[in-house]
Amino acid sequence: GDSVTQMEGPVTLSEEAFLTINCTYTATGYPSLFWYVQYPGEGLQLLLKATKADDKGSNKGFEATYRKETTSFHLEKGSVQVSDSAVYFCALSDFRGGKLIFGQGTELSVKP
Amino acid sequence: EAGVAQSPRYKIIEKRQSVAFWCNPISGHATLYWYQQILGQGPKLLIQFQNNGVVDDSQLPKDRFSAERLKGVDSTLKIQPAKLEDSAVYLCASSLQTSGTGNTGELFFGEGSRLTVL
Repeated sequence: GDSVTQMEGPVTLSEEAFLTINCTYTATGYPSLFWYVQYPGEGLQLLLKATKADDKGSNKGFEATYRKETTSFHLEKGSVQVSDSAVYFCALSDFRGGKLIFGQGTELSVKP
Repeated sequence: EAGVAQSPRYKIIEKRQSVAFWCNPISGHATLYWYQQILGQGPKLLIQFQNNGVVDDSQLPKDRFSAERLKGVDSTLKIQPAKLEDSAVYLCASSLQTSGTGNTGELFFGEGSRLTVL
């Protein structure tokens, strides 16, 4: 079945460091891909998405490109801030049912 | 705009007891989801409703879990009897998706109901 694999955390970075969180997927057909973020004490919220190959999703300085050839959707940010500390989830949905299938999450901690 | 509301936020019960969680989705959202998030793991779908009909309940442990969405709005998830491994956060989400169009849109999540089974 469809699945998502993320790099394990926790990831600890200093403020202004470059961030990459790897995400790869297995799916039949052509899924849509998402990054969700969960800040401490809050619910999951959509960070960015891409619906077809070579699309780039971006939001709040974060970017991810839908790479069909490598079945990847890596999350990047050029300069992280303390306020980016959260758990990040990569997810996919297929065109049939609409449900999201999530990776296991990657905890990011940014130190001043 | 009001978000997805869930209650209770926290619940502690002993094994073999029962518990119920309630969810009120965003107004006008046709699709409602219940996810289970065990500590250190990503959310796993338990059940998906389209209006008041079930679209996917393939991963719902039907011997102990049940869910309903009467009138296509609010939903209740029940666990009876609870087991230790049911300790998790139960997330409700909703979306505008209508049947057959697929999900290229956004799911809106509530803050979750944290269950501890002792």
